[in-house]
Amino acid sequence: GQQVMQIPQYQHVQEGEDFTTYCNSSTTLSNIQWYKQRPGGHPVFLIQLVKSGEVKKQKRLTFQFGEAKKNSSLHITATQTTDVGTYFCAGYLFFGTGTRLTVIP
Amino acid sequence: NAGVTQTPKFQVLKTGQSMTLQCAQDMNHNSMYWYRQDPGMGLRLIYYSASEGTTDKGEVPNGYNVSRLNKREFSLRLESAAPSQTSVYFCASSRVQGAGETQYFGPGTRLLVL
Repeated sequence: GQQVMQIPQYQHVQEGEDFTTYCNSSTTLSNIQWYKQRPGGHPVFLIQLVKSGEVKKQKRLTFQFGEAKKNSSLHITATQTTDVGTYFCAGYLFFGTGTRLTVIP
Repeated sequence: NAGVTQTPKFQVLKTGQSMTLQCAQDMNHNSMYWYRQDPGMGLRLIYYSASEGTTDKGEVPNGYNVSRLNKREFSLRLESAAPSQTSVYFCASSRVQGAGETQYFGPGTRLLVL
């Protein structure tokens, strides 16, 4: 069956450092979504990428969809304590394993 | 709009007990989902309902049953709880089912099976 893996599983950064999480699917995706889950909270939709090679930005967050539509990345520039949480990528009915981000003030 | 609501928030069960997790949405969404979340495993789909009157198995359906009671409500039942079912359970809904549909999640139910 389809598998969606994310690396790293955990990332600790100093506030102000950059952060990147990578998502890899075993199959080609028609689109990919990203969700954020704050500690103790529930996943909240961030963005969706549809086109091969697509890049979208939300303030300090940059999302990319691979040319083969099998991988994606989320990059956060100059992390802040409000960025703390777990970031998930998601294909159709499948979620990635998530990357838990800790930001050290 | 409350969005997606789940009850209870927390539950402790003994092995072999049964319980039903309730989920309701007020967004007039057609599709609803049940996930479980375990450390390091991400979110895994248990069952989903594309529309009222239909349900389908997801990735990890064993040990669970579901009922799509009406368009608003989708319940998850554990007939004989096992310690392996200790997890956080999230209900979600989307306008329709399909790739590209945004899912809206409830606050979760934290279940401990002793």
